[in-house]
Formats: sequence, C-alpha cells, structure tokens
Amino acid sequence: GQNIDQPTEMTATEGAIVQINCTYQTSGFNGLFWYQQHAGEAPTFLSYNVLDGLEEKGRFSSFLSRSKGYSYLLLKELQMKDSASYLCAVINQAGTALIFGKGTTLSVSS
Amino acid sequence: EPEVTQTPSHQVTQMGQEVILRCVPISNHLYFYWYRQILGQKVEFLVSFYNNEISEKSEIFDDQFSVERPDGSNFTLKIRSTKLEDSAMYFCASSERGGPKNIQYFGAGTRLSVL
Repeated sequence: GQNIDQPTEMTATEGAIVQINCTYQTSGFNGLFWYQQHAGEAPTFLSYNVLDGLEEKGRFSSFLSRSKGYSYLLLKELQMKDSASYLCAVINQAGTALIFGKGTTLSVSS
Repeated sequence: EPEVTQTPSHQVTQMGQEVILRCVPISNHLYFYWYRQILGQKVEFLVSFYNNEISEKSEIFDDQFSVERPDGSNFTLKIRSTKLEDSAMYFCASSERGGPKNIQYFGAGTRLSVL
C-alpha cells in the first residue's frame, strides 16, 4: 500500500521561508510531485522529483531523499498569495495514478 | 496557456439521478484522469483513460461510474445513480504522455451536490 504524511497546517509571515515536509511509504517509487491548491480551485503543478537532491524553481524548491522516504517543499520570500494548501503526491508504479497526501494548509500573514 | 476545462462548475442533483460531468482536456494530451475530493479530505484517484480504454481504476470507481471519450475533444464521467456520499468536487486532469514522469494538469473542478 501507499501512505503519505504531511502536517495539516502551518503559519508563516510575509518575506519568511517555510519548509513543508512530506514522508511517504510506497510499494515501488516512481516520483514525487508537489501541487498547490487555493481554496475552491484546481491543484496546480509545482514540482517533480524522482532522483535524490534539490530541484529549484524560482522561489520554490523541492528536495527528495528516496532512502528516507522524505521530501520537502521550500518556499522563500513568502507572499500573501502563497496562502494555499500544498499537496504532496506520489505516482503509482504504472504511472497511471497520483496518490495524494491530505495536504498542508499554509497561512501567510503580514 | 492551454488549460483543462470542466462543465458545469456546480451540479445539484437528487439522490438516485444520473449525472454526467464533462471535461475538455488540453488538446495535444492523450491521457485523461478523474479524481474527486470530498470536502475537507484529500484528493482521491478514480480512473485513468488512454486510447479509449480504462488504464487503471480505484476501488471507488465501482459499477455506478463510467467514463467515455464521445468525440475528439470531450471526456466525460457518468454516475448512474447518485448517492449522498458522491457529493464532492470532481477534478478532471490530462497529461501529454503516460508513465511516471507525466505531469497531470487539472481542471477547475465540478462541485457535485447530491440532495
């Protein structure tokens, strides 16, 4: 089976840096995705990791350690518009389905 | 920027009625998916579809559900006899390719309310 854990809620202030952790247990691993979801809207793709290490994309970076079953999403220079849910997901072995965690709701305050 | 479009944005139906949720995937994408999200819960995979066939389905996707690509642009999810517990946001997604590296792009969703 597959299990994905991430914190339910986090808070931070504008301009700060926040790290959202995700741990996973899967039968086989083919990659990990991060999506952003504003309330009432569609999940939007942020990043994909399949090899160990850090992937940087502007203010957002994502890290993966396959041996530890661990990933994090790092958000720098936080803005109010970054208030959203951040969804960690793994792709199944066949590459046909994303398995999502419950998501972390990030609240950014001024 | 190309996007996945879903209609309607909100559908209200009576228990036992049939509903069809519609999606127009991104035009050059070949792989299509439906997910659902019950209020306050995680996004759950329902079904994936490629080459006019179901590639994979979850245990949620029982005989009450069906999917179809009726023409070159639409992808539909039908629920034959809705139940109260089918109330959820239904997301359609599409990807250009299959396999592990595929990036799935999601539509804005259809909120289904079963009364």
